[in-house]
Amino acid sequence: DAGVTQSPTHLIKTRGQQVTLRCSPKSGHDTVSWYQQALGQGPQFIFQYYEEEERQRGNFPDRFSGHQFPNYSSELNVNALLLGDSALYLCASSLGRGSTDTQYFGPGTRLTVL
Amino acid sequence: AQSVSQHNHHVILSEAASLELGCNYSYGGTVNLFWYVQYPGQHLQLLLKYFSGDPLVKGIKGFEAEFIKSKFSFNLRKPSVQWSDTAEYFCAVNAGNYGQNFVFGPGTRLSVLP
Repeated sequence: DAGVTQSPTHLIKTRGQQVTLRCSPKSGHDTVSWYQQALGQGPQFIFQYYEEEERQRGNFPDRFSGHQFPNYSSELNVNALLLGDSALYLCASSLGRGSTDTQYFGPGTRLTVL
Repeated sequence: AQSVSQHNHHVILSEAASLELGCNYSYGGTVNLFWYVQYPGQHLQLLLKYFSGDPLVKGIKGFEAEFIKSKFSFNLRKPSVQWSDTAEYFCAVNAGNYGQNFVFGPGTRLSVLP
């Protein structure tokens, strides 16, 4: 049973560029959440997708957008990259988006913005 | 807005020592509480969770946590740590009865000396 997978593992971009990160949820899971984890900090919630729609959003600008596909996989897009966007981006999946549903995390994509 | 604090940034213990990591949250309503662990080079894994019922919950690898509602706390404990417990530990809170809005603490780095 495959867990949450993310691609790519590492990515280097320059300021102003755009980036797309990908996530495949754990088998059977229908809800995907994205987090940003800056060095030395805990993950911060970006947004959550369920039934191909954004259901909840954290305190992130519109430069951060996403998509969920019919197979429940998801993409995170970041436009006009800033140096401060350098972080580990984590994807988490769950079966349902209830408050007691456990989220399972992927290994993350390390984004470096130069 | 809800927030989560963790008392210690870095804890250093010798093997067989007892462990207690503090976690406090700010939210007056219903909360669901989690402890996640991130071993070096690995992804976040769920250690244990509390939704309701017995405030003392047991997780994997001999960890337990106690929910004290009056203190808004959810401290993690282990009677005897091993070198393999060296990792980053994150407390997370999902507030409310609906949806998922995880707020993570900043993490506590645990180093266990052999």
